[in-house]
Amino acid sequence: SQQGEEDPQALSIQEGENATMNCSYKTSINNLQWYRQNSGRGLVHLILIRSNEREKHSGRLRVTLDTSKKSSSLLITASRAADTASYFCATGNQAGTALIFGKGTTLSVSS
Amino acid sequence: DSGVTQTPKHLITATGQRVTLRCSPRSGDLSVYWYQQSLDQGLQFLIQYYNGEERAKGNILERFSAQQFPDLHSELNLSSLELGDSALYFCASSVTREETQYFGPGTRLLVL
Repeated sequence: SQQGEEDPQALSIQEGENATMNCSYKTSINNLQWYRQNSGRGLVHLILIRSNEREKHSGRLRVTLDTSKKSSSLLITASRAADTASYFCATGNQAGTALIFGKGTTLSVSS
Repeated sequence: DSGVTQTPKHLITATGQRVTLRCSPRSGDLSVYWYQQSLDQGLQFLIQYYNGEERAKGNILERFSAQQFPDLHSELNLSSLELGDSALYFCASSVTREETQYFGPGTRLLVL
């Protein structure tokens, strides 16, 4: 069953614009991770944010976590065509076992 | 490159057959996870091993089994294959159970 649900399902923007994707989840978590997948290829880990953290940055990426609302957002600033991919949020449970993935947001950045 | 390797990259087989997918985790990682990605089900967790022992099971069919060997590599065995088993199968590894999971490039299985 799906834990995380990304919103929107698809996003089309121009190069240089910012892209924001949201993720909501249902149960308590230990951490939340964001991944990128290019066209059916492998999953690339972007960032991990723990349940006691509220915001994290990595290069052009900014992730926020609101455990009271059970939601997270991923902001990609100054998007590039190379950012075109599907983005997934995945929640890690307290037992540290499976990651539960959402269905992903498909981002298309045009030049 | 995540450091996780999977073989083979592609596999085409027939219904009823059995296949074995192989995964080598990143050096030092004790946890290995298997996931299945299909168009209709998305990314689903199958099974986890930690230092040779099974730790968690997800939506893994009884026709599927896995193991982790003393050198920490893992194999996922899929038997009595059906058309619906066609999917991307990913292996991931992490140092501990609470840390980042790094994914391999996947094995694309096509059952005809």
